[in-house]
Amino acid sequence: SYVLTQPPSVSVAPGKTARITCGGNNIGSKSVHWYQQKPGQAPVLVIYYDSDRPSGIPERFSGSNSGNTATLTISRVEAGDEADYYCQVWDSSSDHRGVFGTGTKVTVL
Amino acid sequence: EVQLVESGGGLVQPGGSLRLSCAASGFTVSSNYMSWVRQAPGKGLEWVSVIYSGGSTYYADSVKGRFTISRDNSKNTLYLQMNSLRAEDTAVYYCARVEHSSGYPYYFDYWGQGTLVTVSS
Repeated sequence: SYVLTQPPSVSVAPGKTARITCGGNNIGSKSVHWYQQKPGQAPVLVIYYDSDRPSGIPERFSGSNSGNTATLTISRVEAGDEADYYCQVWDSSSDHRGVFGTGTKVTVL
Repeated sequence: EVQLVESGGGLVQPGGSLRLSCAASGFTVSSNYMSWVRQAPGKGLEWVSVIYSGGSTYYADSVKGRFTISRDNSKNTLYLQMNSLRAEDTAVYYCARVEHSSGYPYYFDYWGQGTLVTVSS
């Protein structure tokens, strides 16, 4: 089955840039989507199709995808960005299964 | 406005059964791809199952043969029938709409608030 690997945690100072990686075999050939989840809340889509932002998501959130790594970048980090972040793909090679990354906890110092 | 409201969670003994419901509003369940995603306490997100608009269904290996996803078009509601429950099925279960294109699923654009299932004796 397809595996997506994320760093367990990323720490960043306010106003700085956070980069969260999502590693997978030839992930650059897939569409990657990212979700933000705050404690006690449902996940919220923040990036879809590698780099598109849903309406209402700040431009500070951006994404890229190439080779074996996809990256979610949060610029000018704010305290409200502290949350868990998950990448996601759909693995059609494995009987149409959704796959989530292991998740990254972003801490704003 | 799109809304998804789950219900049916609760405490169940190992080996027992439970049926979760997800009432949708603002769109038609039968015209969309719909999924269940779960999250064990303190753990990450785990995809559970999907039903396509055409009726095809797919499951994670961890639940295949025990869980069944279905929908009631007249009630615009998605279901997850869970049988032979195990302690490791304890989680918050979310229903989510799946954005799709050209017959291929992509991302989860709307989520419910989740319902907690606890499997314990």
